[in-house]
Amino acid sequence: NAGVTQTPKFQVLKTGQSMTLQCAQDMNHEYMSWYRQDPGMGLRLIHYSVGAGITDQGEVPNGYNVSRSTTEDFPLRLLSAAPSQTSVYFCASRRRGEKLFFGSGTQLSVL
Amino acid sequence: LAKTTQPISMDSYEGQEVNITCSHNNIATNDYITWYQQFPSQGPRFIIQGYKTKVTNEVASLFIPADRKSSTLSLPRVSLSDTAVYYCLVGDRGNYGQNFVFGPGTRLSVLP
Repeated sequence: NAGVTQTPKFQVLKTGQSMTLQCAQDMNHEYMSWYRQDPGMGLRLIHYSVGAGITDQGEVPNGYNVSRSTTEDFPLRLLSAAPSQTSVYFCASRRRGEKLFFGSGTQLSVL
Repeated sequence: LAKTTQPISMDSYEGQEVNITCSHNNIATNDYITWYQQFPSQGPRFIIQGYKTKVTNEVASLFIPADRKSSTLSLPRVSLSDTAVYYCLVGDRGNYGQNFVFGPGTRLSVLP
């Protein structure tokens, strides 16, 4: 099992550009989620999904879109990047009642 | 949502036992206590989970008093590689985890 795979590991964007952060898991987990982590802070939940076709907003959803067309994939889209979205992004998944598995993160800089 | 409070940072020396206490005064009946560890440039990793009394695994112990309003993560004989941020989370294990809140955690520095 590869676990939770995130791509890319690093990305630099200009203000206003769009991009998609990819997240895939091979553990057949129902739940997938995206977090952002700013320097010296904990993780804040952006969006989550409890199954294919089901998504919902977390604590800080503005500026981000998600979709869940398959159990394995949960991409995060930035429609118009802003400097305030400079952060490290983590994808996580779990089976209900079990521990969260995290990806290795994507470091995003918006200039 | 049960809010947790932990020390922002702690220092220790190699070989010592480290105890990190987390306060969760409004923990609910169905809530479990879970600890995660995060190394720099990595995602958090599960350490241990418990509901009451004591839980022990190969890396840590978790002590939970009868009133469950706090918990203590114990790391025996720490090494330099235990330098990390430790997060205490409280939530209903029966849900998916969307209500788990990662606060700033406790930054543990292990010195030689």
